[in-house]
Formats: sequence, C-alpha cells, structure tokens
Amino acid sequence: GNSVTQMEGPVTLSEEAFLTINCTYTATGYPSLFWYVQYPGEGLQLLLKATKADDKGSNKGFEATYRKETTSFHLEKGSVQVSDSAVYFCALSTNTGGFKTIFGAGTRLFVKA
Amino acid sequence: EAGVTQSPTHLIKTRGQQATLRCSPISGHTSVYWYQQALGLGLQFLLWYDEGEERNRGNFPPRFSGRQFPNYSSELNVNALELEDSALYLCASSLGTGGLNEKLFFGSGTQLSVL
Repeated sequence: GNSVTQMEGPVTLSEEAFLTINCTYTATGYPSLFWYVQYPGEGLQLLLKATKADDKGSNKGFEATYRKETTSFHLEKGSVQVSDSAVYFCALSTNTGGFKTIFGAGTRLFVKA
Repeated sequence: EAGVTQSPTHLIKTRGQQATLRCSPISGHTSVYWYQQALGLGLQFLLWYDEGEERNRGNFPPRFSGRQFPNYSSELNVNALELEDSALYLCASSLGTGGLNEKLFFGSGTQLSVL
C-alpha cells in the first residue's frame, strides 16, 4: 500500500543550525510529494512540493528533492530561525485506490535562540 | 478571503453518543477532505467529497460518515462513539481537480474528546 515514514521528533536545534528531516515513502505508480507545515495555533499549510523524479521543491529557504531511487523526500534548510519552530508533515498524493493525500506522522521542530 | 472554517472548536461526548462536525471550504473550492489526527499517529485519511458526492474513503468503519451540501460545506458524523475516536479532526478543501498536484488548504480542526 501507500505510506509515508518520517523521522520521529522532537528535533531541537539552535538558531542558524542546519536542518534535515528525513522522509521516505512507499507508493505504486508516480505520486506527487509534499511538505506541509503546522505553526503553533494554525492549520497545516503547504510548504513545498515536487511532482516527478529529480524535481526540487523550495520555499522560504527550505528545499527537498524527489529521489525515486531511494524513495525519499528529505526536507533541508541551511540556517533555521526561531520562527521555523513548527510541526512538519511529509505527504504524497496518489491515484491508486482513488485519489487521496497520505501524510506522515509529523516531526516537531524546536529552534532555540 | 476566509480560509477553511471548522466548528465547533472543541466537542466533548460520552461513549455511544453521536458527534457532528462541520466544515466550510474556501470560496470556489468544491472538494472537501476529512482527516483524523490522533496523538502520535499523524493524519489518517477519512473521506473525500467533491461536487456533493463521496469520492473516496479511508480505512475507517461505517460509523464514520458524512455529506457535502450544495454550497460545498460538509459534515462529518461519527456514530456510536468509542474512546479511541478522541482526536483532532481536520478538514481541508481544494479546487477539486483531483490531480496529484492538488494543494490542500486546512482548517484548524475540531478537538473531539470521548469520555
């Protein structure tokens, strides 16, 4: 079946540190891949997406590359800020078994000043 | 422009009761999705409605049901509540193209507590 696995949190970093949140997926066909972010007290919002192999999605200094050979979509940022503290969700969209977007369990990030 | 709105924010019920959760999508969006976010389990896909029809359903029992109204708002009904139904229920909407690049816009959720 289709599934998304992401690293367990929480992840705690100091400001300006490098961030990696790992995400791997299992899917039949050719899914699209997403990262959503949930800031405290707010709903989930799309951070970035990639629609085919080797595509790189980027936004707000975050980026992730669709790696079909390793079925991964790791989220990276070169220098995190306190305002990046949030929960990050990796997700895929598939038409297998009917259209749906499947989410990982989420990874909470804390950034200390 | 108003985002996705959900009501109520919090709902407390006892085992065996029924719960009704409501969602209003962004204006112009025809698709509504429901997700259950239980502690530590991430978002589990429940239901997808588009143009008033149920288009897809996740792996949940039939006591989870819903509908979409002509104005594209939606209700999620949970019958015969069980303790493990306690979770945050999130509604999302989209333009309804059904394509793999569909961007979902989420509401802030309804926290359902079953006592």
